[in-house]
Amino acid sequence: ETGVTQSPTHLIKTRGQQVTLRCSSQSGHNTVSWYQQALGQGPQFIFQYYREEENGRGNFPPRFSGLQFPNYSSELNVNALELDDSALYLCASSYVGLAGETQYFGPGTRLLVL
Amino acid sequence: AQSVTQLDSQVPVFEEAPVELRCNYSSSVSVYLFWYVQYPNQGLQLLLKYLSGSTLVKGINGFEAEFNKSQTSFHLRKPSVHISDTAEYFCAVSDTGTASKLTFGTGTRLQVTL
Repeated sequence: ETGVTQSPTHLIKTRGQQVTLRCSSQSGHNTVSWYQQALGQGPQFIFQYYREEENGRGNFPPRFSGLQFPNYSSELNVNALELDDSALYLCASSYVGLAGETQYFGPGTRLLVL
Repeated sequence: AQSVTQLDSQVPVFEEAPVELRCNYSSSVSVYLFWYVQYPNQGLQLLLKYLSGSTLVKGINGFEAEFNKSQTSFHLRKPSVHISDTAEYFCAVSDTGTASKLTFGTGTRLQVTL
């Protein structure tokens, strides 16, 4: 149990639609990162938020956007969905402690675009 | 830019046998290294990480890994596997400025049989 929850667990959308995925992390975890994991692949870094500001972005187009809220929750928004957006989307929150930065992953949201 | 290569997509092994999962990385800067495990329909769980210090890192569930800077490798080993170790294993790297913007390999499926 990592203390990171994601909703919904599964989602089906059609091409061109918009989707919002949600993540809730533990109190004190100021950093949240989002990853996309296509079937049979490793996760790919989408972007990271630190104290509600974007703090780095991977090789993803602007139609992937995010928000982080003061209550340690966050959202990933994807506009104009494409078939290739079908994947498991993972949220990860982290904090810096005595052992350095530790990152915890949620169970993911599986998105299917038809 | 960084990259991670996991040379074996699948590793079959009998229960109680030793196993090594190979990981090589490429980076122009100093790195942190990680191994994660993913059980079916679940998120990622951290097995171990190398940040600095001793190159032999011990993790959870009896796993260990050795950082070899000259060979740019971070192979994962376990002396005796159990059926419950069947899962997907991912090696990941980040630069030393952060331990939460990870570049993952494509994964190795460890299949343990009786």
